[in-house]
Amino acid sequence: DTGVSQDPRHKITKRGQNVTFRCDPISEHNRLYWYRQTLGQGPEFLTYFQNEAQLEKSRLLSDRFSAERPKGSFSTLEIQRTEQGDSAMYLCASSPPGQGADGYTFGSGTRLTVV
Amino acid sequence: KQEVTQIPAALSVPEGENLVLNCSFTDSAIYNLQWFRQDPGKGLTSLLLIQSSQREQTSGRLNASLDKSSGRSTLYIAASQPGDSATYLCAVLLNSGYSTLTFGKGTMLLVSP
Repeated sequence: DTGVSQDPRHKITKRGQNVTFRCDPISEHNRLYWYRQTLGQGPEFLTYFQNEAQLEKSRLLSDRFSAERPKGSFSTLEIQRTEQGDSAMYLCASSPPGQGADGYTFGSGTRLTVV
Repeated sequence: KQEVTQIPAALSVPEGENLVLNCSFTDSAIYNLQWFRQDPGKGLTSLLLIQSSQREQTSGRLNASLDKSSGRSTLYIAASQPGDSATYLCAVLLNSGYSTLTFGKGTMLLVSP
């Protein structure tokens, strides 16, 4: 296991279309996070899973966004009816059991461009 | 609400210089602080992790310090190289059961040959 994998790396979509991103965390990490980063800003938290349970969601996660982690392994983030304001880098991270004492490992991100 | 500020927003230095990046946070009840590097259009690479009980961490030419009581951390880069050019992000993890990181906006570093 070489780290956190995200797919696709880049996605260009037309406004109004649905998109889905995938994240494969480090296998022994039970915690998985989604963050969004817009140009010139630091990443902002979207949602957090511990195993298959979604324990926390940011107010940034509107009704058009949904995230799943059905078997406690990989996770998907879906955006419905995309808007130009959704254009951003979507970052996935994972951490081992505990309080995050060992820190986070981030993936390379999925860059979404809505045209 | 935790807020993280990084100064300066951008820094340009000639190769070989030693430099310091600053990070401050408003809530001192942190569990740990992590410095990341981000190359343009890429994800985040963890550089150093400092637990709240620690004062500093070192990795190669990098040294990060933490003063929890004053809400400050610094990242010191010795003998900078062009390959160090990137954005450096500071993030804190609160000690309140939260598992989410709060990031600063980063410092964009350019090291010229």
